Amino acid sequence: QKEVEQNSGPLSVPEGAIASLNCTYSDRGSQSFFWYRQYSGKSPELIMFIYSNGDKEDGRFTAQLNKASQYVSLLIRDSQPSDSATYLCAVRSNYQLIWGAGTKLIIKP
Amino acid sequence: NAGVTQTPKFQVLKTGQSMTLQCAQDMNHNSMYWYRQDPGMGLRLIYYSASEGTTDKGEVPNGYNVSRLNKREFSLRLESAAPSQTSVYFCASRVGETQYFGPGTRLLVL
Repeated sequence: QKEVEQNSGPLSVPEGAIASLNCTYSDRGSQSFFWYRQYSGKSPELIMFIYSNGDKEDGRFTAQLNKASQYVSLLIRDSQPSDSATYLCAVRSNYQLIWGAGTKLIIKP
Repeated sequence: NAGVTQTPKFQVLKTGQSMTLQCAQDMNHNSMYWYRQDPGMGLRLIYYSASEGTTDKGEVPNGYNVSRLNKREFSLRLESAAPSQTSVYFCASRVGETQYFGPGTRLLVL
């Protein structure tokens, strides 16, 4: 069974620090990797996706992919209280996305 | 643009009752999806539709049926609700690699 694993948290990070969120996946054939953010009581929204090994940066967010280790991470620089949310990792396996259960991130002012 | 809309926002059903969850998107997307989200679990795909007139089962289709009425609308039907179907249901549409989600329907089955 294809799985995506995330630490449920909560992960508590001081405002202004770097938040590091991690995700592992089981399907070695996966080609696309996604990070979504979900505020409490709201729907998920895409932050960024990554295809290739290495880093991809978008503003304060950096996604990192290591296919050999089957590991994806999301770094949030200069964390703000508005970044407090649950972060969902998803991996494309054939036609569908396989989702992790999410990591709850709390940014402390 | 309203994006993806879902109705109702909240519903309480008794075991054995039926209902249809409605979803519509105004972004002209071909692909649409129905997910359920339960505490401590990832989103799980119930059904999806790659284009108007086609539907396919996802990971957890049992107890559900869908209709892709036209390009805009994709409905999810529970024929005989069970307590195990208590969940938050999200509809999504996709363009490229981005899925856009509706606000969700919270369903409680007693």
